[in-house]
Amino acid sequence: AQSVTQLDSQVPVFEEAPVELRCNYSSSVSVYLFWYVQYPNQGLQLLLKYLSGSTLVKGINGFEAEFNKSQTSFHLRKPSVHISDTAEYFCAVRPRGAQKLVFGQGTRLTINP
Amino acid sequence: DTAVSQTPKYLVTQMGNDKSIKCEQNLGHDTMYWYKQDSKKFLKIMFSYNNKELIINETVPNRFSPKSPDKAHLNLHINSLELGDSAVYFCASSQVRRTNTGELFFGEGSRLTVL
Repeated sequence: AQSVTQLDSQVPVFEEAPVELRCNYSSSVSVYLFWYVQYPNQGLQLLLKYLSGSTLVKGINGFEAEFNKSQTSFHLRKPSVHISDTAEYFCAVRPRGAQKLVFGQGTRLTINP
Repeated sequence: DTAVSQTPKYLVTQMGNDKSIKCEQNLGHDTMYWYKQDSKKFLKIMFSYNNKELIINETVPNRFSPKSPDKAHLNLHINSLELGDSAVYFCASSQVRRTNTGELFFGEGSRLTVL
């Protein structure tokens, strides 16, 4: 079975500071990897995804993530955050050939002025 | 146009009642899902339909019954509502055949409160 662990439940950061949200997964087969963002009282929106190829993936709103197969990680980064980045962030994996997307527990990113 | 739309957005009801949530997607996708998000924001898949066929049925009480009249619609009916059913229910869709990346497109959620 697959599982996803987001190592931090909450991350407070000052505006314009860099941020990293950590995600580790376990799977016996190759996976596709995703990061979603959920703004308050909204649905989930895709930030970026890793399917194959380059391990550094760029997404919307200045976010990027790096796939590290040996460490089974897919950490999300942004060099300079904005107040509008305050949201819940979810890492997710889907084993190749499977239909189900498995989500991590979420990380609440709070940006302080 | 909203890609994945759910109704109602908010639902407040008494224990023991029966309620339904409807979902429609206009993306032409072949697969639709119901996810439940609890008060701690944890997202858990409940059901998935591919071209009207049930393909994922997680350990969910029998009181929950999904129905897909066509591949653009997936409804969720809940009988005999309990306090623990209070949550936000998300509908999602994806195109599995041909692309098979599994990227999900989510609706805005239906917040169910059982009193």
